[in-house]
Amino acid sequence: AQTVTQSQPEMSVQEAETVTLSCTYDTSENNYYLFWYKQPPSRQMILVIRQEAYKQQNATENRFSVNFQKAAKSFSLKISDSQLGDTAMYFCAFMNPYGGATNKLIFGTGTLLAVQP
Amino acid sequence: GAVVSQHPSWVICKSGTSVKIECRSLDFQATTMFWYRQFPKQSLMLMATSNEGSKATYEQGVEKDKFLINHASLTLSTLTVTSAHPEDSSFYICSARVGGKLFFGSGTQLSVL
Repeated sequence: AQTVTQSQPEMSVQEAETVTLSCTYDTSENNYYLFWYKQPPSRQMILVIRQEAYKQQNATENRFSVNFQKAAKSFSLKISDSQLGDTAMYFCAFMNPYGGATNKLIFGTGTLLAVQP
Repeated sequence: GAVVSQHPSWVICKSGTSVKIECRSLDFQATTMFWYRQFPKQSLMLMATSNEGSKATYEQGVEKDKFLINHASLTLSTLTVTSAHPEDSSFYICSARVGGKLFFGSGTQLSVL
């Protein structure tokens, strides 16, 4: 069974600085997707970034980028130029998109990020 | 991104009553939707996978008679919490898959008195 681990329950960063959130996972699959979702105080789940395991290039979305290390099963999120609106709970998630009914999203426990002014 | 609409946003009900939560895909068809439950300051826990035109697949430990799921069309899935009790109070979120991404509804806060 797949598992996702986020070892940082809470983190804090100053506005305009850079912060990295950690995530590790365990799977026997070779092809899969990894995601970072944010959940602000509104509790709306928002997709931040997605990485396809067969791609070696790290995904980037504006200020958000990942460091995907497949062999180490590590998938960290880097937020550059942090903004107050980045304050949220961040969830790392795993999906096997080729498993039919099993293509469900498995979430980590989350990291609460606070951006300080 | 794709839009998933969930209603109601919050509901308060008396113990023993049933509550229905709707999840709609507004600009796409969803043969599969997912229902999650989230307790305060915790992660999302998958409850069940809703399949259009067939029975839902429930995760281990989730009572299918307590949490009834109906996916009657390609754009609508409903979750009915039957005979609700205070321990069913929680935040419920639906999601639908579009390609290789999951999009989420805005969630429903259920409070059972």
